[in-house]
Amino acid sequence: EPEVTQTPSHQVTQMGQEVILRCVPISNHLYFYWYRQILGQKVEFLVSFYNNEISEKSEIFDDQFSVERPDGSNFTLKIRSTKLEDSAMYFCASSEKWGTTKNIQYFGAGTRLSVL
Amino acid sequence: GNSVTQMEGPVTLSEEAFLTINCTYTATGYPSLFWYVQYPGEGLQLLLKATKADDKGSNKGFEATYRKETTSFHLEKGSVQVSDSAVYFCALSDRPLSNDYKLSFGAGTTVTVRA
Repeated sequence: EPEVTQTPSHQVTQMGQEVILRCVPISNHLYFYWYRQILGQKVEFLVSFYNNEISEKSEIFDDQFSVERPDGSNFTLKIRSTKLEDSAMYFCASSEKWGTTKNIQYFGAGTRLSVL
Repeated sequence: GNSVTQMEGPVTLSEEAFLTINCTYTATGYPSLFWYVQYPGEGLQLLLKATKADDKGSNKGFEATYRKETTSFHLEKGSVQVSDSAVYFCALSDRPLSNDYKLSFGAGTTVTVRA
């Protein structure tokens, strides 16, 4: 079964450093998402992406965050200058198309980001 | 705004016991409702879904019925197995004017089934 792949599984970084989290969505999917889960808290929506542009973003997704689809397969989340509070599990998801019956979002296993 | 309130865990059960995890929601539109499951070391997997009132989603022995009158989508399984040990997330996807289907999640319920 096709799956969403995220790398790395665990990223440790120093505060103020830039990190790039990588995702390979399912190949025929057109819609891409990032979510995060701070330890002990809810999974929160960050951003959705379609047709090479952001569809929607949450209040969390400030100027320190950016997303990119640099080629036909990868979808990346960049945090320019990490803060301690960015420590979380980051999930990538993709879906085939809009609509209630087709918009099943498939998730990756997540990248655990630890900011020291 | 949209929100999902989910029964807090952790929940510990014996094999073959009945499982229920409560989930209620608030939404501005006509949401679709989902249960996702996360097994240890894996990503979130869709367990079941319901797209309109009175729909029943089912999969792997789990069931949940979309109750608009009580704004609920409780997850149930009649006889759990050790392999059902996981974290369960209730989620909704609304239909705002922007046509975006981002998911709003509950806090997750950790279920442990003992042999």
